[in-house]
Amino acid sequence: GDSVTQMEGPVTLSEEAFLTINCTYTATGYPSLFWYVQYPGEGLQLLLKATKADDKGSNKGFEATYRKETTSFHLEKGSVQVSDSAVYFCALLRGGTGNQFYFGTGTSLTVIP
Amino acid sequence: DTGVSQDPRHKITKRGQNVTFRCDPISEHNRLYWYRQTLGQGPEFLTYFQNEAQLEKSRLLSDRFSAERPKGSFSTLEIQRTEQGDSAMYLCASSLEASNQPQHFGDGTRLSIL
Repeated sequence: GDSVTQMEGPVTLSEEAFLTINCTYTATGYPSLFWYVQYPGEGLQLLLKATKADDKGSNKGFEATYRKETTSFHLEKGSVQVSDSAVYFCALLRGGTGNQFYFGTGTSLTVIP
Repeated sequence: DTGVSQDPRHKITKRGQNVTFRCDPISEHNRLYWYRQTLGQGPEFLTYFQNEAQLEKSRLLSDRFSAERPKGSFSTLEIQRTEQGDSAMYLCASSLEASNQPQHFGDGTRLSIL
C-alpha cells in the first residue's frame, strides 16, 4: 500500500544552518506530495506541495522537489531560524474519490540561537 | 476564511464515558476528514465525508467510533465507552472536492482518559 518514510529525529541545528529532512514514498500511480508543519499545541499547516514529477514546491524559504526516479520529496532550507522549530510531516495524496492522505511519522526540528 | 474550527480543545474524561467532538470546516469546503494523532506519530486517517455522505469509514478504529455530518456542514466524532488507549489528539481537516487539493487542519481536540 501507499506509505511515506521520513528521516527520524529529533534534529537540532544552530541558527542559520542548512536543513535537510529526507522523505521517500511508496505509491501506485502519480500521487501529489506535501510538507506540513506543526507548531506546539497547534494543528498542521500546509507548508508546500508538488503535484507532479520534477515540480518544486517552495514557501517561506523551504523547498522540496518531487523526484519520481528516487521516489523522494526531501525538504530543504538554506538558513534556519529559531522560529522554524516545529515538527515537519511529509504526506502523500493519492487522488481519486478519497483524497486520502498518508503521513510520515514526523521529524522534530529544534533550532538553537 | 476563518479556518477549520474544533471544539473543545481539550477533553478530560473517565474511562467508560462517551465523548463527542465537533468540527466546523471552512465554509466552501465540501470534504471533511477526521484523523487521530498519537504522540510522536503522524496523523492517522479515520473517516471522511463528501457533503453529508460518509464515503470511507473502514479505517475507524472500532465500532465504538462513529462520525456524522448531517447537513453537510459541521461534523461530530463520537467515541463510546472510552478506553485508556483512546487518549490522543483528534484532528479535523477540510478540503475542496477537486483532486490534488490540500487539506486544511484545525487545531485538534486533545482527549485524555483518566
